[in-house]
Amino acid sequence: EAGVAQSPRYKIIEKRQSVAFWCNPISGHATLYWYQQILGQGPKLLIQFQNNGVVDDSQLPKDRFSAERLKGVDSTLKIQPAKLEDSAVYLCASSPSPQGGDTQYFGPGTRLTVL
Amino acid sequence: KNQVEQSPQSLIILEGKNCTLQCNYTVSPFSNLRWYKQDTGRGPVSLTIMTFSENTKSNGRYTATLDADTKQSSLHITASQLSDSASYICVVSPTSGAGSYQLTFGKGTKLSVIP
Repeated sequence: EAGVAQSPRYKIIEKRQSVAFWCNPISGHATLYWYQQILGQGPKLLIQFQNNGVVDDSQLPKDRFSAERLKGVDSTLKIQPAKLEDSAVYLCASSPSPQGGDTQYFGPGTRLTVL
Repeated sequence: KNQVEQSPQSLIILEGKNCTLQCNYTVSPFSNLRWYKQDTGRGPVSLTIMTFSENTKSNGRYTATLDADTKQSSLHITASQLSDSASYICVVSPTSGAGSYQLTFGKGTKLSVIP
């Protein structure tokens, strides 16, 4: 079974530039999550999708971050414009249950460096 | 405020030795607790999951314990191997119904196993 795929693996940009990350969850998984993991910290949930609908985006900085999950499969996370404090690893995870709460399977993450 | 505190922050042990990592949480109401292993540059991988009614759960050389009364959990690693070098993250789920799963992540314990 293929795992959660993410791209790119690494990205370096200057502040005020835009960046987009892509995630392909495990086939058939209904729930998709985006997390931000700052060095030395645990992951912080940014947004949770159930199929293609948003369940929770309470911690997403909506003035600069946006995410979508078209057709309930792949997802993209965008930052526009980026700030220095956005430097982190962005993890995508998926889980089988539409209700969420079951074991989440994480991708390798995208390491973002904002200069 | 829901919190998960892990100790120690980092740990160095010799190959073949045992070690125990600690997790204290204040999440309530409590649904389940997971331990994840995160290798450097990779996403977290689930090791164990325990509900409030379970006291212990094993996965090979990893054994997790849970005391729901004192809100403490531990992860014991037996006969450590070099490949055990990673961050170990304690994650607590506060809900058991449908909807948003604002998992509370600890900051992790960084374990280094040396020859």
